[in-house]
Amino acid sequence: DVKVTQSSRYLVKRTGEKVFLECVQDMDHENMFWYRQDPGLGLRLIYFSYDVKMKEKGDIPEGYSVSREKKERFSLILESASTNQTSMYLCASSLFFSAHYEQYFGPGTRLTVT
Amino acid sequence: GQQVMQIPQYQHVQEGEDFTTYCNSSTTLSNIQWYKQRPGGHPVFLIQLVKSGEVKKQKRLTFQFGEAKKNSSLHITATQTTDVGTYFCAVASGGSYIPTFGRGTSLIVHP
Repeated sequence: DVKVTQSSRYLVKRTGEKVFLECVQDMDHENMFWYRQDPGLGLRLIYFSYDVKMKEKGDIPEGYSVSREKKERFSLILESASTNQTSMYLCASSLFFSAHYEQYFGPGTRLTVT
Repeated sequence: GQQVMQIPQYQHVQEGEDFTTYCNSSTTLSNIQWYKQRPGGHPVFLIQLVKSGEVKKQKRLTFQFGEAKKNSSLHITATQTTDVGTYFCAVASGGSYIPTFGRGTSLIVHP
């Protein structure tokens, strides 16, 4: 079974703090994704990566950056957290760089910025 | 990105009633995936449809892909409380490598 893990289930940070969210997958998947999920807005893609050190902006990249130094690990960085970044953050991975492959999601990190 | 509309946003049903959610696109799709997210959980892949007019079944769930490949539906027969959750479609068209998720339909089943 594919396993996608995220470093924290719940996180509380202060405005202006730098925040790191970590995601690890154990099935050698090429693709990794970061989404945020807000009520009524569904899943919105922040960034994705199709290979080590490669990254592409999704639909809402502003205020975020990412890092993929190893194939199994994809980090989301909030350089200076703001209250409007309070949300559920979901990491996902898929086998190949194609829309025809299912995505496996991690359990999510609920981030609160105060 | 790809525009996709999913309706309804919420659906309340009595246990035993049927349920349908729809996913509509203005452009022709190459494939559509369906996911289920239980309350407090994360999305889990259910199925993928690729062919025009395709119909797939998983027990009480029936998935259809429209003939024009612009819409899809997920139908649940005789809902149970275990069906509670949010159902998402994820679509891709043309040469896109990344699917776009709909906003989801939240199903509430009353016992």
